[in-house]
Amino acid sequence: QSGLTQPPSASGTPGQRVTMSCSGSGSNIGTNPVNWYQQLPGTAPKLLIYNNDQRPSGVPDRFSGSKSGTSASLAISGLQSEDEADYSCASWDDSLNGVVFGGGTKLTVL
Amino acid sequence: QVQLVQSGAEVKKPGASVKVSCKASGYTFTSYDINWVRQASGQGLEWMGWMNPNSGNTGYAQKFQGRVTMTRNTSISTAYMELTSLRSEDTAVYYCARVVTHKIAYYFDSWGQGTLVSVSS
Repeated sequence: QSGLTQPPSASGTPGQRVTMSCSGSGSNIGTNPVNWYQQLPGTAPKLLIYNNDQRPSGVPDRFSGSKSGTSASLAISGLQSEDEADYSCASWDDSLNGVVFGGGTKLTVL
Repeated sequence: QVQLVQSGAEVKKPGASVKVSCKASGYTFTSYDINWVRQASGQGLEWMGWMNPNSGNTGYAQKFQGRVTMTRNTSISTAYMELTSLRSEDTAVYYCARVVTHKIAYYFDSWGQGTLVSVSS
């Protein structure tokens, strides 16, 4: 099952702004919304961004999402040590008739 | 509050089957689909399929067709995922997740804590 493409790693220092990308195709990101999940070490994923750029209640506004064409991005501003986690993008794929995930980006706060 | 509580870790031999449960609370169980997602150690998330607890209808990823069955017991608000013909590559943490759907939106707003399934001879 083809998935979305994410860089395996990203890093930043406290207070910095970091972005991470998620690339797909016309049958997934090009047609359907993108969602982002944060996974702290040893825990279950948590919804971070839904419908491209919406934040669930409780998620700080330091986290923002955007989408353009068949790609999406997650930005984290004012980076904090507790942001160190894996970030995965996901979208419904009309060709596969199911959800596709990215491989995840491991964020390290230096 | 919405909560999904999964059954405990399992150790299975190759060729065996495993059935993982996911008990929902804090909302009307039949109002939201349940999906199953797995994650092998150090790997990304992998979608397995969906189940509508109201109708019992299901949809599975092609990779798991013929090996996975998703069911539910509405009287106890519990969803189940059974995977048969286990092989070592099925060793992973299995998650259930509640799905929110609206127009073309489709996202997982609540997750179970995960169930480790280890397959080894």
